[in-house]
Amino acid sequence: NAGVTQTPKFQVLKTGQSMTLQCAQDMNHNSMYWYRQDPGMGLRLIYYSASEGTTDKGEVPNGYNVSRLNKREFSLRLESAAPSQTSVYFCASSVGPISNQPQHFGDGTRLSIL
Amino acid sequence: SQQGEEDPQALSIQEGENATMNCSYKTSINNLQWYRQNSGRGLVHLILIRSNEREKHSGRLRVTLDTSKKSSSLLITASRAADTASYFCAGGSRLTFGEGTQLTVNP
Repeated sequence: NAGVTQTPKFQVLKTGQSMTLQCAQDMNHNSMYWYRQDPGMGLRLIYYSASEGTTDKGEVPNGYNVSRLNKREFSLRLESAAPSQTSVYFCASSVGPISNQPQHFGDGTRLSIL
Repeated sequence: SQQGEEDPQALSIQEGENATMNCSYKTSINNLQWYRQNSGRGLVHLILIRSNEREKHSGRLRVTLDTSKKSSSLLITASRAADTASYFCAGGSRLTFGEGTQLTVNP
């Protein structure tokens, strides 16, 4: 039982390149989330998907797009990467609504943009 | 915007001592959650306390919630080196996380 799996674990991009971060969960959870974590800061919500077929913006959505491919998978896309998007990205999932259930996290994707 | 703010930012103690971390939040909450993050890993859920609860225990963890003061505390008793990690509180309708407390437990 893997929980939440993120790929890749590390990535270096040049400014202007595009990339998709992948996330999959095997816990049959309804809700999934993408966060970014910058040094000395807590997690900031980028986008979330309360249920299959729905997505909503979080606190810092600019420069990102998401796709809830099916119940298991939720991807995050950077269309034109910028140095300000250098960060550690975490995917998470939960049984139900965002604030009422514990979230289960992947181990993150460390993304550097040069 | 940060819903939770942890205090202190960093805490260093000896094995066997108790560690107390505090969290203050800004808006009304239905519940407050605490998470642990080991270096280089994702967050792990520790405990959820609902707004109508004042105290909750889980093993060596004790969480209190004071909704009148908009604050919560996490107590780790008889700390171990393996408790070394960052600890975050989170709450609000979008589950906003604080900046965390870095706990170091020295053997």
